[in-house]
Amino acid sequence: QKEVEQNSGPLSVPEGAIASLNCTYSDRGSQSFFWYRQYSGKSPELIMFIYSNGDKEDGRFTAQLNKASQYVSLLIRDSQPSDSATYLCAVNGGYGQNFVFGPGTRLSVLP
Amino acid sequence: DAGVTQSPTHLIKTRGQQVTLRCSPKSGHDTVSWYQQALGQGPQFIFQYYEEEERQRGNFPDRFSGHQFPNYSSELNVNALLLGDSALYLCASSFLGQMNTEAFFGQGTRLTVV
Repeated sequence: QKEVEQNSGPLSVPEGAIASLNCTYSDRGSQSFFWYRQYSGKSPELIMFIYSNGDKEDGRFTAQLNKASQYVSLLIRDSQPSDSATYLCAVNGGYGQNFVFGPGTRLSVLP
Repeated sequence: DAGVTQSPTHLIKTRGQQVTLRCSPKSGHDTVSWYQQALGQGPQFIFQYYEEEERQRGNFPDRFSGHQFPNYSSELNVNALLLGDSALYLCASSFLGQMNTEAFFGQGTRLTVV
């Protein structure tokens, strides 16, 4: 059974701070790693993805991947109240394999 | 470029009834996957369709069935609805031939079974 784990939160950070979201996965064969943001009542929207070990930056977002530790994280710099949402970690085995999602971490950015 | 579209957006059904949900994938995508998301949980994989066939299936009963049409659009059918089937149903489209493929979601269908 492939599993993805996340702290459910809520994670509360003040506006302007760095929010750190973590995710671990069980399948060592996983190839692709994705972070989705989901506002209440809405569908998930893709924030960014990472395939290789190390860091990948996109604007205020940085994804970090450590395949040896089976760990992926998302850093959000200069957090804004509009970043308040649930963040879903998803893992994929490549070539059209289905996505396995974690339960999501609820982030609250306080003004 | 239209993204993934789903219909209807909301649906209320009675226990025991049958429901059909529809999805049109993003232009250029050939694979459609369906997910069920209960309140407060992450999406759970139901099944995936490619070339009009079910390619992968998650741990869902046979009451859940689907179909993919030649234009890549897809339907999800649920028979003998249970109260526990109430959830947000998400359709995601992707391109199978790409090693690291991204999935884009439609806006979802909120199904309430009463």
